[in-house]
Amino acid sequence: GDSVTQMEGPVTLSEEACLTINCTYTATGYPSLFWYVQYPGEGLQLLLKATKADDKGSNKGFEATYRKETTSFHLEKGSVQVSDSAVYFCASYSGTYKYIFGTGTRLKVLA
Amino acid sequence: NAGVTQTPKFQVLKTGQSMTLQCAQDMNHEYMSWYRQDPGMGLRLIHYSVGAGITDQGEVPNGYNVSRSTTEDFPLRLLSAAPSQTSVYFCASSLLSRGRTTEAFFGQGTRLTVV
Repeated sequence: GDSVTQMEGPVTLSEEACLTINCTYTATGYPSLFWYVQYPGEGLQLLLKATKADDKGSNKGFEATYRKETTSFHLEKGSVQVSDSAVYFCASYSGTYKYIFGTGTRLKVLA
Repeated sequence: NAGVTQTPKFQVLKTGQSMTLQCAQDMNHEYMSWYRQDPGMGLRLIHYSVGAGITDQGEVPNGYNVSRSTTEDFPLRLLSAAPSQTSVYFCASSLLSRGRTTEAFFGQGTRLTVV
């Protein structure tokens, strides 16, 4: 069945460092791909999405490109801030009424 | 716009007790779902619904019941609580378009502890 694998955390970075969180997927079709962010004590919020190969989603300085050839959707940011500290979830949706989530990656940014 | 509202935010139950977690959305979304979030396991789908009167099982449905009598509400019932059901529960909704959903909107979560 479909699955999403993302790098384990926690990831600890200094402010203004570069961030990459890896995400790969397996799917029988062509899924839509998402990154969600969860701040402490809150629900998940959509960060960005891509619906077809080579699409780039972007929001708040974060980017991710849908790479069909490597079945990947890595999350990147050039300069992280303390306020980016959160848990990040990669997810896929293939049209079967079931989102598939990765296990989440906790990011901690130090001032 | 309230979005997805879950109640309660926190709950402690004794083993064997039953309770209902409430979820309501005001965005007229056809699709609603319940997830549980456990450390190291991400979010796992419990039940989902694609419209009033239509529900189906997800990955971990045992011990939970749902119903969908209106578009707005999708309650999750724990029939006889067990310590293994200690978790954070999230309700989510999204639009359906030609069988595909858009992004999901999540509630704030219910932290349930079963002792």
